[in-house]
Amino acid sequence: GDSVTQMEGPVTLSEEAFLTINCTYTATGYPSLFWYVQYPGEGLQLLLKATKADDKGSNKGFEATYRKETTSFHLEKGSVQVSDSAVYFCALYEAGSARQLTFGSGTQLTVLP
Amino acid sequence: GAVVSQHPSWVICKSGTSVKIECRSLDFQATTMFWYRQFPKQSLMLMATSNEGSKATYEQGVEKDKFLINHASLTLSTLTVTSAHPEDSSFYICSAGGQAYEAFFGQGTRLTVV
Repeated sequence: GDSVTQMEGPVTLSEEAFLTINCTYTATGYPSLFWYVQYPGEGLQLLLKATKADDKGSNKGFEATYRKETTSFHLEKGSVQVSDSAVYFCALYEAGSARQLTFGSGTQLTVLP
Repeated sequence: GAVVSQHPSWVICKSGTSVKIECRSLDFQATTMFWYRQFPKQSLMLMATSNEGSKATYEQGVEKDKFLINHASLTLSTLTVTSAHPEDSSFYICSAGGQAYEAFFGQGTRLTVV
């Protein structure tokens, strides 16, 4: 079945540091891939998405490229801010899958000033 | 934008009691809502799909008699954990609206059973 493996946290960085959160997936077909973010006390929000191989999703300075050859969708940001502190979830969605979204376990990011 | 509100944010209950968690869509109608559960250091797992006016669809391995889902209106779905036990302690989160990946999520409920 489908699965998502996500880099374990927590991750602690200083402001303006480079961020990478690794995500790899297993799927039977050609899924769409997503990153969600959950700020403290709020619901998950869709951060970015990519629907086919080599697509790059981007939003708020975050980027992730759909790499079919390595089955990966790593999240990157060149310069993190304190306000980026949150939990980040990688997920996939395969059309026709009765399980809907398949999530990774989430990575807690803390950015220190 | 659309908002999904989940209540309570956290709850502590005694073993053997029941706990109700509410999921409301605040500014849109949701014929379908999804309920997820996350155990520590594990993935968010879909528990069930809640359908307004009909029975919920449960994922394999989820006990429907233990996790009662009621979707009585287009803006409210409830999840009741009946006769809760410590192993039910988990993070429960709902979502509603649009395709599953475009759904709006609630802020989640941390349930601790002591």
